[in-house]
Amino acid sequence: DAGVIQSPRHEVTEMGQEVTLRCKPISGHNSLFWYRQTMMRGLELLIYFNNNVPIDDSGMPEDRFSAKMPNASFSTLKIQPSEPRDSAVYFCASSLVGGGSSPLHFGNGTRLTVT
Amino acid sequence: KQEVTQIPAALSVPEGENLVLNCSFTDSAIYNLQWFRQDPGKGLTSLLLIQSSQREQTSGRLNASLDKSSGRSTLYIAASQPGDSATYLCAVPGSGNTGKLIFGQGTTLQVKP
Repeated sequence: DAGVIQSPRHEVTEMGQEVTLRCKPISGHNSLFWYRQTMMRGLELLIYFNNNVPIDDSGMPEDRFSAKMPNASFSTLKIQPSEPRDSAVYFCASSLVGGGSSPLHFGNGTRLTVT
Repeated sequence: KQEVTQIPAALSVPEGENLVLNCSFTDSAIYNLQWFRQDPGKGLTSLLLIQSSQREQTSGRLNASLDKSSGRSTLYIAASQPGDSATYLCAVPGSGNTGKLIFGQGTTLQVKP
């Protein structure tokens, strides 16, 4: 399996622009997670899907952030409008089952820089 | 609220040494704990997952132990190699069985040749 695939690997944008991050989970995994990693705050869970349904979005910082999972093989995280404080590495991860019961597989992340 | 702490934040050892990384968590009502490795510019790789009913898990030169009652886990690396240099993170499920994992800040390990 190719693992969790994220695109783009790097994104540089200006404040106020819309940013869309993409993720393809491992085939057969029914849980998908979006995390954000910064030096100051470490890894933070933004949102968690189970069987394409958002289960916990309490980590989504503001209404500027939205996530969708239209089918089992694709998810997007959108930031509109973007701000410099959104600069971070955004990871998508998937697991066979949810609840932390099976190993979590991470993509290589999207490094977002908002100027 | 579950909090995960890893000590030390950074560790440098000569090649060949055995070493222990520490992880502590405040809420002992967990059903598993995972150890991950992160290389620079990469995502996290799951190393070991210990269920709450287990005391330890082994994979090659890695051995992870779990003591729920004391809120601690250790990752033991035997005969360290330069290729082991990375950041190691532990994570436990958050409360409420929502699928959320709470991560420690990690220990950055450097193994010198």
